[in-house]
Amino acid sequence: GENVEQHPSTLSVQEGDSAVIKCTYSDSASNYFPWYKQELGKRPQLIIDIRSNVGEKKDQRIAVTLNKTAKHFSLHITETQPEDSAVYFCAAPDAGKLIFGQGTTLQVKP
Amino acid sequence: DVKVTQSSRYLVKRTGEKVFLECVQDMDHENMFWYRQDPGLGLRLIYFSYDVKMKEKGDIPEGYSVSREKKERFSLILESASTNQTSMYLCASSYRGRHSPLHFGNGTRLTVT
Repeated sequence: GENVEQHPSTLSVQEGDSAVIKCTYSDSASNYFPWYKQELGKRPQLIIDIRSNVGEKKDQRIAVTLNKTAKHFSLHITETQPEDSAVYFCAAPDAGKLIFGQGTTLQVKP
Repeated sequence: DVKVTQSSRYLVKRTGEKVFLECVQDMDHENMFWYRQDPGLGLRLIYFSYDVKMKEKGDIPEGYSVSREKKERFSLILESASTNQTSMYLCASSYRGRHSPLHFGNGTRLTVT
């Protein structure tokens, strides 16, 4: 089955800096990679996803890149703001279900 | 807006008790999932269901069972609660279609003493 590894486990940046979170996956057949954001005390919510037929996708200050050859994908947040502070989870599909990474706690310091 | 409702936000139970965690969704989703969230371990799948009366084991099913008698309701059952089942439990639902996003409930923080 699919295995997803996520790094780093914690990340602290100054407001305005960029943040990058990386995930690797094991199943070369995987073709869909979503990212979920969980603010403190709230439910995880989908913020962006990428399919394997593209290498990059952007939505305002967030972007996701995919390297199918190396089997890794990354979340990039530019011009970070305090409201970006949250736990971020990457995921990959496995037989109709999602397998999540271990999570990254992002702290944006004002 | 999709609503996934978990019956309890906080729950405290004693070792050996039978525990029921209830989840209801209002969007006619076919798929429903139970995840467990622990620091440093991410979201781990316990059980999932693609249809009424159907259930599939996830990655960590030991010590748990589920019930899906109606499409909108998916229950997680701890037959005999143990302290290592103290955790945050998240229910989620989605449409059957490929790459359909998961919609999560607010979670149930279960403490087993």
